[in-house]
Amino acid sequence: QKEVEQDPGPLSVPEGAIVSLNCTYSNSAFQYFMWYRQYSRKGPELLMYTYSSGNKEDGRFTAQVDKSSKYISLFIRDSQPSDSATYLCAMGAGGGADGLTFGKGTHLIIQP
Amino acid sequence: GAGVSQSPRYKVTKRGQDVALRCDPISGHVSLYWYRQALGQGPEFLTYFNYEAQQDKSGLPNDRFSAERPEGSISTLTIQRTEQRDSAMYRCASSLRAADSSTDTQYFGPGTRLTVL
Repeated sequence: QKEVEQDPGPLSVPEGAIVSLNCTYSNSAFQYFMWYRQYSRKGPELLMYTYSSGNKEDGRFTAQVDKSSKYISLFIRDSQPSDSATYLCAMGAGGGADGLTFGKGTHLIIQP
Repeated sequence: GAGVSQSPRYKVTKRGQDVALRCDPISGHVSLYWYRQALGQGPEFLTYFNYEAQQDKSGLPNDRFSAERPEGSISTLTIQRTEQRDSAMYRCASSLRAADSSTDTQYFGPGTRLTVL
């Protein structure tokens, strides 16, 4: 079993829909949880950063962490075609300053 | 430039040859990370540095892989006696390592696509 599990998709939804992406993990030491967005042929870029359990909202994006279930989610409201990308969850035990463990990424397609 | 840069962007080599991949982090960033990303997978951690000191090399697959950052800025990842299984995208990231490292952000470069024939 990999430390971080993420459904690779593809996930295809119509424009304007709410998108739900999620990851599960097995390492109880993980305290810091991130979502990165990666466009084709580009490097990952950080979208959301959450410490421990709870919710964090930034514009159309909401990140949720449930450490008791070892489950994290990213919600995208009012999805746009420009949101089409691969979304990678990442997590670490020592904050963003240490090496991160990534999921394999979910390929998201927003249909105009 | 403002971002992390890597060179070369593409490298094709024959099995058994040595390769050196270069990373130039964002100016002033203390920490530098190397990851490897296979097609359809997320980045896999290899090693990282704070300044010139290598902090964690637990992700390096075997002793053919090594990295250095002698002056605390540019880093080189070297793969000796390359094998076909080494073919992947090699990504570098850097972070400021602020006083509150719990909110540190890793910024990724465009990567070097390595193909071993």
